[in-house]
Amino acid sequence: KQEVTQIPAALSVPEGENLVLNCSFTDSAIYNLQWFRQDPGKGLTSLLLIQSSQREQTSGRLNASLDKSSGRSTLYIAASQPGDSATYLCAVKGGANNLFFGTGTRLTVIP
Amino acid sequence: DAGVIQSPRHEVTEMGQEVTLRCKPISGHDYLFWYRQTMMRGLELLIYFNNNVPIDDSGMPEDRFSAKMPNASFSTLKIQPSEPRDSAVYFCASSSIRGVNEQYFGPGTRLTVT
Repeated sequence: KQEVTQIPAALSVPEGENLVLNCSFTDSAIYNLQWFRQDPGKGLTSLLLIQSSQREQTSGRLNASLDKSSGRSTLYIAASQPGDSATYLCAVKGGANNLFFGTGTRLTVIP
Repeated sequence: DAGVIQSPRHEVTEMGQEVTLRCKPISGHDYLFWYRQTMMRGLELLIYFNNNVPIDDSGMPEDRFSAKMPNASFSTLKIQPSEPRDSAVYFCASSSIRGVNEQYFGPGTRLTVT
């Protein structure tokens, strides 16, 4: 069964700092990888989706990379802002259409 | 588009009662997923449908849980009888193969069983 791990579990940074969140998965036979943001008491908001054939995706200050062979993905957030504070989840999709989620990284950006 | 709609947003019920959670997927999406999120286990897939047909229900914890999708715009997740350990946030998500299967989540239903 696919296992998805995210480190660190929590991260606190001062405003303006660039940061990297890590995601690793055990089975490299994935269809795509999706990064989500979850605010407290809210649903999940899709940030970026990387197809298995792609190496990276960018949206604004966010950049996600995928190294399928090594089972790793990173989410890079540039010039962090207090509004970026949330829990970030990565999820990998296998051929069966279901997503396997990591446990998330709780990010706090300090003003 | 209004996004994925779930109701109710919060549900408090007593052990033994029947609970029904509802979901309206994004129009045009042909996949619908039900997830459960708890502190202990994180996000887990319960069941998913393709074109209203259940494809994989291996994540449904036990026979007390059942899900239906009578048409493309509506799905229910029912728990009967409910137990305190069912307390969690239940999310519905939908996707479309034309949209490279990017999943869009609803706001969730927070269920508390006392």
